[in-house]
Amino acid sequence: AQSVSQHNHHVILSEAASLELGCNYSYGGTVNLFWYVQYPGQHLQLLLKYFSGDPLVKGIKGFEAEFIKSKFSFNLRKPSVQWSDTAEYFCAVNPRGKLIFGQGTELSVKP
Amino acid sequence: AAGVIQSPRHLIKEKRETATLKCYPIPRHDTVYWYQQGPGQDPQFLISFYEKMQSDKGSIPDRFSAQQFSDYHSELNMSSLELGDSALYFCASSLEDRVSSYNEQFFGPGTRLTVL
Repeated sequence: AQSVSQHNHHVILSEAASLELGCNYSYGGTVNLFWYVQYPGQHLQLLLKYFSGDPLVKGIKGFEAEFIKSKFSFNLRKPSVQWSDTAEYFCAVNPRGKLIFGQGTELSVKP
Repeated sequence: AAGVIQSPRHLIKEKRETATLKCYPIPRHDTVYWYQQGPGQDPQFLISFYEKMQSDKGSIPDRFSAQQFSDYHSELNMSSLELGDSALYFCASSLEDRVSSYNEQFFGPGTRLTVL
C-alpha cells in the first residue's frame, strides 16, 4: 500500500536556524509530491510541488524541497526560519487522484 | 481568485443526528475530494468525484454518503453521527488532467464538525 512517512513529529527551532523536514514515500510508480502547510486554525496551503523535471523545487516563503528518486525521499528545507513559520507541515503523494498524507510535523519557531 | 468554498464553517450536532456539509469547487474544476482530519491527525481521504461520478473511495463509513451535482458542487451527508466523527472536513477541487495525471488540489477552509 502507498504510504508517506515523516520522520519528525515535532521540531523546535530558534529564529534564523535552518530547517530540514524528512519525508519518505513508498510507491513504485510515478508520483506527484507535495508539501502543504497548515497554520493554526487554518486550512491546508500548498508550499510546493514536484511533478517532473528538476528535482530541486522552490516554493513559496523561501521553502524548497529535493526529490531523490533512489531514496524515495522529498525533504523540505528552509535556510533560515522565522517565527511566522510556526505551523504543521504535511508531505503528501498523489499517485493517482487522491492525496496520501504523512503524519505531519509540527514546527515551533522560538522568537 | 476564486477559492473553494465550504459551508458551514462550524457545525455542532448531537449523537445520532445527521449533518450535511457542502463544497463549492473553484469554477471550471471538475473534480472534488473530501478529506477528514481528526484532532492531531493527518487528513484522510474519504471520497472523490469526477464529472459528477464517484471516482475513488477511501475510508468513508457506510453512514456517510456524498454526491456531486450538475453545477459541480458536492455534498457530504453524514447520518447517525458518533462522537468519533468530530473532525475537520476538508474539500478540495482540481481540474483533472487524465493524460498526465497532473493534479493540483486546492483546499477549502474546512468545516469543523463537533458531535456532542
